[in-house]
Amino acid sequence: AQSVAQPEDQVNVAEGNPLTVKCTYSVSGNPYLFWYVQYPNRGLQFLLKYITGDNLVKGSYGFEAEFNKSQTSFHLKKPSALVSDSALYFCAVRVFSSNTGKLIFGQGTTLQVKP
Amino acid sequence: GAVVSQHPSRVICKSGTSVKIECRSLDFQATTMFWYRQFPKQSLMLMATSNEGSKATYEQGVEKDKFLINHASLTLSTLTVTSAHPEDSSFYICSARDVLAGTHEQYFGPGTRLTVT
Repeated sequence: AQSVAQPEDQVNVAEGNPLTVKCTYSVSGNPYLFWYVQYPNRGLQFLLKYITGDNLVKGSYGFEAEFNKSQTSFHLKKPSALVSDSALYFCAVRVFSSNTGKLIFGQGTTLQVKP
Repeated sequence: GAVVSQHPSRVICKSGTSVKIECRSLDFQATTMFWYRQFPKQSLMLMATSNEGSKATYEQGVEKDKFLINHASLTLSTLTVTSAHPEDSSFYICSARDVLAGTHEQYFGPGTRLTVT
């Protein structure tokens, strides 16, 4: 079965410091991986995706993620965190048994950036 | 581009009544839309996949007679919560894929907060 895990419920980081939000996955075949961000009482905003190609993917708002096949990970990173980055972050993987592009989401990680 | 809207953003209804939530893709055609439910500080739970012109596909454990989904056009899907009860109170989010663009990500609506009293 395909699954996504985000091992940390919350990540705390000081403004200006680098941040990492962890994600590991379990899929059969090549994974399509995504990161989304959610602000309070809002829908999800797409940050970035890995389909194929370079393992380091760059996305919106200065975020990037590194696909590591051997460790089955897709950690989200940013070199210098902003207070405005504080939000709920979701990692997701596409379900290949479905031709509709259904996604499975991780549990979510709350990022708290302190001034 | 790739904007998805939902209406209403918030709704309060009495127990036993029905509530309809609309999901629209504003600048692209969405042959497939998805309906999710989210409890506070939890992940999104996929309820059903809505396909234009055909019946929705419901996830295991989701009552299709309670959560009626209609996808009558390429830009509109509706979710009707029938005979709502307080336990149906939740944040409902829809998403859509821009299939013609050939991308793989889903674009999400802003969500609808349903409160059943």
